[in-house]
Amino acid sequence: GAVVSQHPSRVICKSGTSVKIECRSLDFQATTMFWYRQFPKQSLMLMATSNEGSKATYEQGVEKDKFLINHASLTLSTLTVTSAHPEDSSFYICSAKTGTPPENTEAFFGQGTRLTVV
Amino acid sequence: KNQVEQSPQSLIILEGKNCTLQCNYTVSPFSNLRWYKQDTGRGPVSLTIMTFSENTKSNGRYTATLDADTKQSSLHITASQLSDSASYICGGKSTFGDGTTLTVKP
Repeated sequence: GAVVSQHPSRVICKSGTSVKIECRSLDFQATTMFWYRQFPKQSLMLMATSNEGSKATYEQGVEKDKFLINHASLTLSTLTVTSAHPEDSSFYICSAKTGTPPENTEAFFGQGTRLTVV
Repeated sequence: KNQVEQSPQSLIILEGKNCTLQCNYTVSPFSNLRWYKQDTGRGPVSLTIMTFSENTKSNGRYTATLDADTKQSSLHITASQLSDSASYICGGKSTFGDGTTLTVKP
């Protein structure tokens, strides 16, 4: 299957700082990328959907000014957690799709990023 | 109430045994249903993806079934191995279940 690389895999930051997480599709062009967060023993919660070159669509309850998403190219999307607080500590996962329509194609997940805010 | 419910929440089986995981969903529309395997601290890896026109799909020792009328799916694992220990998640589009944690013991 296609490869989606997420970086970093783990990050610890101080409260009040910002953290950027990268999601790259290594061997295909991702027209659509998704960002999720996952709490222990819980399901993946979709945060936002981003299409290359356009603004991300955020799910209800997700603060777009806190979780900045940029999908500047067909192989890279970034999630920036701004002014991080301990409650933002979580497992963040991206996935990427290609093809049209997006629903009919496979989504490949990155390996996830464990964010700990201290 | 979660739109995708999985059962059991956790399962322990002996190596070599078979097991079946269940997934009931209420989301609509649901263009396809996916099963993923997620190791602890890792991203999910796709096992199967099925559209409404398919009612069974196999991937090695994994066989998924889908009943679109009852909105139920199952994942059957044959001849389990220690490496099958993981969380198994079903879902589609943007909605996923909480997963079933499978532990395979020697």
